[in-house]
Amino acid sequence: GAVVSQHPSRVICKSGTSVKIECRSLDFQATTMFWYRQFPKQSLMLMATSNEGSKATYEQGVEKDKFLINHASLTLSTLTVTSAHPEDSSFYICSASPSGQGAYEQYFGPGTRLTVT
Amino acid sequence: EDQVTQSPEALRLQEGESSSLNCSYTVSGLRGLFWYRQDPGKGPEFLFTLYSAGEEKEKERLKATLTKKESFLHITAPKPEDSATYLCAVQAFNSVRSGGTSYGKLTFGQGTILTVHP
Repeated sequence: GAVVSQHPSRVICKSGTSVKIECRSLDFQATTMFWYRQFPKQSLMLMATSNEGSKATYEQGVEKDKFLINHASLTLSTLTVTSAHPEDSSFYICSASPSGQGAYEQYFGPGTRLTVT
Repeated sequence: EDQVTQSPEALRLQEGESSSLNCSYTVSGLRGLFWYRQDPGKGPEFLFTLYSAGEEKEKERLKATLTKKESFLHITAPKPEDSATYLCAVQAFNSVRSGGTSYGKLTFGQGTILTVHP
């Protein structure tokens, strides 16, 4: 149980284009989903928190207009990197927290490797 | 501000050589402390949640313990397949909303890279 998928697993795009990453909870409903970024040999950095049906909450220093987050259903959140630049190249990981009180564990997806050329 | 510090940064063990990883934390009201395992190029895999000092949880060769200031992940007789980065994270009470809506922001440590040699 508690499986989270991400698509695509790897993506290469040209500078200036936009890329959409999907995060799905496969066997549970997730009121809250989280998006992280991870640089090589570093820990996870929280970018934003998305709650189903409401606007995402972004961490300090994360550009809202660059990293668009949509959480349209209880099983799907998307992250769109707009006008991507080489410095946006990174490993993006989502996590999902099962709905309901007392269930605050986060289950992580396998990650998406973004390379901007 | 919540802080998590893990030590050592890297640990090399021989197969069968037991050891412990440390996670020290400061948090404004601990809701939960989480341990994850991360393999290269993959997302973190959930291992344990600990909620209160004195609590212990076990899974195969791993045992996690919790005090008011730190948590330990004990690895007994490790095998090469236990090689991974182990991440510790804390969740504060003030990151959680009531009424069934979870917020639950996690603050992660830098991780301990464990290498077990055959």
